[in-house]
Amino acid sequence: GQQLNQSPQSMFIQEGEDVSMNCTSSSIFNTWLWYKQDPGEGPVLLIALYKAGELTSNGRLTAQFGITRKDSFLNISASIPSDVGIYFCAGLGRAGANSKLTFGKGITLSVRP
Amino acid sequence: EPEVTQTPSHQVTQMGQEVILRCVPISNHLYFYWYRQILGQKVEFLVSFYNNEISEKSEIFDDQFSVERPDGSNFTLKIRSTKLEDSAMYFCASSRTGTYGYTFGSGTRLTVV
Repeated sequence: GQQLNQSPQSMFIQEGEDVSMNCTSSSIFNTWLWYKQDPGEGPVLLIALYKAGELTSNGRLTAQFGITRKDSFLNISASIPSDVGIYFCAGLGRAGANSKLTFGKGITLSVRP
Repeated sequence: EPEVTQTPSHQVTQMGQEVILRCVPISNHLYFYWYRQILGQKVEFLVSFYNNEISEKSEIFDDQFSVERPDGSNFTLKIRSTKLEDSAMYFCASSRTGTYGYTFGSGTRLTVV
């Protein structure tokens, strides 16, 4: 089946630093989504990417949809303590009725004050 | 901001008992989903539902699972005879078009004892 690869499993950064996270796949996805999950909560959508090559920003977050449609990255600039959480990439292969999301295993981000 | 609402937030049940997890999707959304996340693992697709029928289901979604949209607002997941390995967070999600506005609820933590 389709799989998304995220590594490393954990990242530790200092407050104020920038951080970049990659997500790769052996399969093509038509939509890439980045979610953040806090403990005991559901995934919250950060950025959605709908076109290959698209670069989208949302405040301190920037994400890009790779040209090959097999990868994406998420950048967080000037990190703050509330950026702590698990960051998941998710791919959507088909739109419409069969639009299931395939999730990566997530990267746990820790921010040292 | 519209939300997907899930109840209860926690459910403890004895092995072999039936449970029903409830969700109220966003009101103008047409596509509905259930996902599951075992503690410490990635979010996994269970089932998608559109036009009052299941459009896709995963291998996890066996005969013990069923979904229903009993009225215009609720979307339920039933597990007929729970097993210990059904213990997980269960997330409901809805989407307007199957691509856009893919929003998750806060989840129900199911513990089977």
